[in-house]
Parts: sequence; C-alpha cells; structure tokens
Amino acid sequence: GQQVMQIPQYQHVQEGEDFTTYCNSSTTLSNIQWYKQRPGGHPVFLIQLVKSGEVKKQKRLTFQFGEAKKNSSLHITATQTTDVGTYFCAGRSDTNAGKSTFGDGTTLTVKP
Amino acid sequence: DSGVTQTPKHLITATGQRVTLRCSPRSGDLSVYWYQQSLDQGLQFLIQYYNGEERAKGNILERFSAQQFPDLHSELNLSSLELGDSALYFCASSRQGNTDTQYFGPGTRLTVL
Repeated sequence: GQQVMQIPQYQHVQEGEDFTTYCNSSTTLSNIQWYKQRPGGHPVFLIQLVKSGEVKKQKRLTFQFGEAKKNSSLHITATQTTDVGTYFCAGRSDTNAGKSTFGDGTTLTVKP
Repeated sequence: DSGVTQTPKHLITATGQRVTLRCSPRSGDLSVYWYQQSLDQGLQFLIQYYNGEERAKGNILERFSAQQFPDLHSELNLSSLELGDSALYFCASSRQGNTDTQYFGPGTRLTVL
C-alpha cells in the first residue's frame, strides 16, 4: 500500500535558525496537505499543494511539491518559539480511493 | 475552533470494558474520519465514512467499529479494551472526502487501566 515517510522525526533548533521537514511518498500523489499539531492540541490544516513543482508561501513558511509529485518539503525561516509542534504531511494517491495517508510527523522544538 | 466536536473529552475505563466515542462534523461536511494517536506517535488512520457509508478502512482492529448516522454524526465503538488502546482518538471531517481539507476535532483521550 501507499507509504508516506517524513524526516527527520525530531528537530531541535535555536530560535532564529531555519528548519526543514521532508515528506516522501512511495507512489505519485494527486495532492499533499500539511498540518501542524501544537503540544496538547489537534492537527490544524496549513496548506494543500496540487501542481507539480508548486511552491506556496505563508509568511515564514515555504511549502514545495516535487516535480514528480512524490515528495514535498516544509521550510521555516528564522524559527520562533511559536513554531513548536509536530508537522504532518498527508498525501493522497489516485489509486487509494480518496484516503490520505499521513506521515509520522516531524516534531520541532525551539530553544529561546 | 474547527467546528468539529467530540465527546467525551476524557474517558477512563478498565480493561475488558466497552466505550463509545462521539463526533459531530462541521456543518455541511459529509465525510468523517477516525484516527488513533498513541503517546508521541503519528496519526493512525482507522476508518472513513462518507454520507453514512463506509468509504475507506485503515488499521482498525476487529474489536473496534464505527458508524455514521443520518444526521452525519459518527460514533466509534471500542470493545474488550486493552491497556494498549490508551490513546488520543481524533475525529476529522471534510466536505466531500476526496481532495478536501480535513478539519480535526479536539480529540478524546482514552485511558484504559
């Protein structure tokens, strides 16, 4: 079945440093979504990417969808303590009847 | 506030017991998803319903079952509970269920003693 892998599992950064998490799928995706879960909270939708090579920005966050639509990345510039949490990608494959598969997430901690 | 409600917020029970978790999706959303998240783990997809019908099934144990009612709320039934079933159970909803964004509820924290 479809597998979605995220790396790294954990990332510890100093406030102000950049952070990147990568998401790789075993199959071609029709779209990929990114979610953020704050400690003690629930996942919250951040963005959806649909087109090959698509790049979207939200303030300090940059999201990319690979040309082959099998990988994606989330990059945060100049991290702040409010960025702490777990970032999940969720990929939907055309062969998977509508179900999105979540990656295991990358947990980011930011040291002030 | 995502608009998805889940009850109860916390549930403490004993091994061997049966519990029911309830989820009300956002107004207008037809699809409901159930996920299990164990401590410091990712989101394990359990099952999806769309407009009352089962749409997709994940790694859901035979001891677990779910349904979606005509008013679109959903219930997840967990029976013969084991210690390892202790986890956060999230419900999410989406408009259609295919490419749509999923909106997550606050979760139900289940503790099995």
